Amino acid sequence: RKEVEQDPGPFNVPEGATVAFNCTYSNSASQSFFWYRQDCRKEPKLLMSVYSSGNEDGRFTAQLNRASQYISLLIRDSKLSDSATYLCVVNWRNTGKLIFGQGTTLQVKP
Amino acid sequence: SAVISQKPSRDICQRGTSLTIQCQVDSQVTMMFWYRQQPGQSLTLIATANQGSEATYESGFVIDKFPISRPNLTFSTLTVSNMSPEDSSIYLCSVGPTNTGELFFGEGSRLTVL
Repeated sequence: RKEVEQDPGPFNVPEGATVAFNCTYSNSASQSFFWYRQDCRKEPKLLMSVYSSGNEDGRFTAQLNRASQYISLLIRDSKLSDSATYLCVVNWRNTGKLIFGQGTTLQVKP
Repeated sequence: SAVISQKPSRDICQRGTSLTIQCQVDSQVTMMFWYRQQPGQSLTLIATANQGSEATYESGFVIDKFPISRPNLTFSTLTVSNMSPEDSSIYLCSVGPTNTGELFFGEGSRLTVL
């Protein structure tokens, strides 16, 4: 079983749609959780951290369920510029050893 | 955040040769890491570059194949030795984590081995 699992997609959605990505992790001792965004041929960049209480940043909402070891990302009112690969990332013991999911590809179409 | 510069940004190399990738950070950082992203795959940690001591390698990666230097708190190199086409990948330097666990990445070095 992979340490971090995501549905690779691709998700093809029209502009304005709401789309949700899910992620599960296997190590119950994981401490920090993130969603990174990676554009084609670019390095990953932090989109948002994921907190136990859930958190929102504009059109993006992230949620964490520690009991189920499950992380989600919700994107509302999708824009063309949201097209990218979204990486679910887990940090065990807050070291630099980030464990990356395989990524979920989103393509937003006009 | 840190500004991370990697060189070369891309290279095409012949089988059996070696390539050294440089990573320069604009501030002193304790932790530096090297990740690999193979085509169509996600990122995998190769090793932690320790200043003043040998790098710490992850399972599946060895020093003979990926020697790493870390002469000071702002610079590190990763060498990909005796390359084969399977080494074609993007190699990324990263620093952190911040107190929230975030890592910052360089732009990556895209390596193609013929």
